[in-house]
Amino acid sequence: QKEVEQNSGPLSVPEGAIASLNCTYSDRGSQSFFWYRQYSGKSPELIMSIYSNGDKEDGRFTAQLNKASQYVSLLIRDSQPSDSATYLCAVFYNQGGKLIFGQGTELSVKP
Amino acid sequence: DVKVTQSSRYLVKRTGEKVFLECVQDMDHENMFWYRQDPGLGLRLIYFSYDVKMKEKGDIPEGYSVSREKKERFSLILESASTNQTSMYLCASRTTAQETQYFGPGTRLLVL
Repeated sequence: QKEVEQNSGPLSVPEGAIASLNCTYSDRGSQSFFWYRQYSGKSPELIMSIYSNGDKEDGRFTAQLNKASQYVSLLIRDSQPSDSATYLCAVFYNQGGKLIFGQGTELSVKP
Repeated sequence: DVKVTQSSRYLVKRTGEKVFLECVQDMDHENMFWYRQDPGLGLRLIYFSYDVKMKEKGDIPEGYSVSREKKERFSLILESASTNQTSMYLCASRTTAQETQYFGPGTRLLVL
């Protein structure tokens, strides 16, 4: 069974701090990785994608990928209360052509 | 912008009713997906479709069926609704050329 694992949280950080969200996956052949943000009662919204080892930055968000360790993370700098949401890690498995989602990490940013 | 729409945001049905949930995308995506999301269980794939009239079972297809008669439309059918099908239902689509998947707004279904 292919898996994507995340800590469920909740992760609580003060406003202005860096929030670090982590994800591990089991399929070494995976090449595409995504982070979705989901506000309570809403549908997931894509915020980052990453395909190569290293860091990818987009505004306050940085995705980090380490394929050797099968590890992908999302850093949120200068966290804001509006960042409070559940963050879903998703890994694309070529076999079957499906995205496999982690359970999500709930982030709470305290003013 | 990719737009995925779902026919209802909230739905209340009675046990035993036949329920239709519809999903429409406007970006000519080949692939469409139906998930349900429950607290503590995450997103679970019910069915997906790679093309018109094609369907594949996901992880939890029991109690559901699907229909894809047109490329832009993917319907989820609950043949005889049961209380354990109370959930948030999410439709998603993507093109075959990219792995990026886009979600609709979701339908929150309550079966009484």
